[in-house]
Amino acid sequence: GEDVEQSLFLSVREGDSSVINCTYTDSSSTYLYWYKQEPGAGLQLLTYIFSNMDMKQDQRLTVLLNKKDKHLSLRIADTQTGDSAIYFCAEIPGSARQLTFGSGTQLTVLP
Amino acid sequence: DTGVSQNPRHKITKRGQNVTFRCDPISEHNRLYWYRQTLGQGPEFLTYFQNEAQLEKSRLLSDRFSAERPKGSFSTLEIQRTEQGDSAMYLCASTKSGTREQYFGPGTRLTVT
Repeated sequence: GEDVEQSLFLSVREGDSSVINCTYTDSSSTYLYWYKQEPGAGLQLLTYIFSNMDMKQDQRLTVLLNKKDKHLSLRIADTQTGDSAIYFCAEIPGSARQLTFGSGTQLTVLP
Repeated sequence: DTGVSQNPRHKITKRGQNVTFRCDPISEHNRLYWYRQTLGQGPEFLTYFQNEAQLEKSRLLSDRFSAERPKGSFSTLEIQRTEQGDSAMYLCASTKSGTREQYFGPGTRLTVT
């Protein structure tokens, strides 16, 4: 995952907003993704954004894409304890079909 | 639609033994992917199939690893002569050509002792 970087940890209070950041290096990436992983489980697709978009909103989730800076963020509004998990940013670079993942951000929601 | 399923969920084996994992994709999905995830890391791509054809293999997929998808439905991943470094979560994902969502199964956790 060296082509996709994320900070390792984030703690927020219940009810606050969380913002998880990601940078990627492949400017040809056309789709960028956010996945959630709970302990011992597989990955749950949360949302994805096409590279010609700046923003995508889906209920409590907002994805922002700054293509110039190759920066992607995921904002979770009104964060709940059930949002505690590891969040992975991923890209499909160039003409590839497979995902390239970051190392994940561990989100801890404090009561 | 029952999602992607994987069996077994956990496997403990002794070094040098062979193991085989199975993945059943979502029924109408023609693309199937295998990834490996070690502790504290994101998943890393191993290989993928479109229908029964294996179209790409990562250099992570050493000659001890082999994957098949004989009828374009379920897939198996075999590891021969397992090593302790093979201990990881093996994840399977599927998608339909022309769509961009990859859906993951719950994974098979392999422990090599």
